[in-house]
Amino acid sequence: SQTIHQWPATLVQPVGSPLSLECTVEGTSNPNLYWYRQAAGRGLQLLFYSVGIGQISSEVPQNLSASRPQDRQFILSSKKLLLSDSGFYLCAWSVRGTASGNTIYFGEGSWLTVV
Amino acid sequence: LAKTTQPISMDSYEGQEVNITCSHNNIATNDYITWYQQFPSQGPRFIIQGYKTKVTNEVASLFIPADRKSSTLSLPRVSLSDTAVYYCLVGDLISGNTPLVFGKGTRLSVIA
Repeated sequence: SQTIHQWPATLVQPVGSPLSLECTVEGTSNPNLYWYRQAAGRGLQLLFYSVGIGQISSEVPQNLSASRPQDRQFILSSKKLLLSDSGFYLCAWSVRGTASGNTIYFGEGSWLTVV
Repeated sequence: LAKTTQPISMDSYEGQEVNITCSHNNIATNDYITWYQQFPSQGPRFIIQGYKTKVTNEVASLFIPADRKSSTLSLPRVSLSDTAVYYCLVGDLISGNTPLVFGKGTRLSVIA
């Protein structure tokens, strides 16, 4: 069966420090991968999505970046965090090429607090 | 890219049926309609999915009119544990080349 893991689960970082959140998917190949952010009490904001290794699309301008060095690995990074980067970050994956019954699966989430 | 519009919040008493409607006026031919449920500090989880007409599973029903410009999630006899945010997602799951963008969701509060 497929599983998705992301880490760390909780992170407290000072303003201006770097960030690295990692996500891996097991049990599937060539998935679509996504990074979402959710500010406290707000909806889900799509940050990045990837349809393959090295292929990253950004949905919103920001000081965050994403990379996909391997088929089932997705990394969210920042060189200098801002206070506004605080939130709940969710990695997700979906399978291409199927229709009915397809869905998007989410990881456990990472809470980032920038202080 | 089909945008979705949902009510921001809804209240219901336990045991009642709840219907949440989502508008997606520019839905594309290959787009499927999927509903998700999210509890605090957790990722959304799949509830139900459909393309047209009516779909029913063990937790909900999904009604989609012929023009597919809207859909209604129906939760029968809600309980306190159904208090959550519900998202309607419209996307092309065949090609998978379009990003899956969630709307703001509907915050359902079930009252005893």
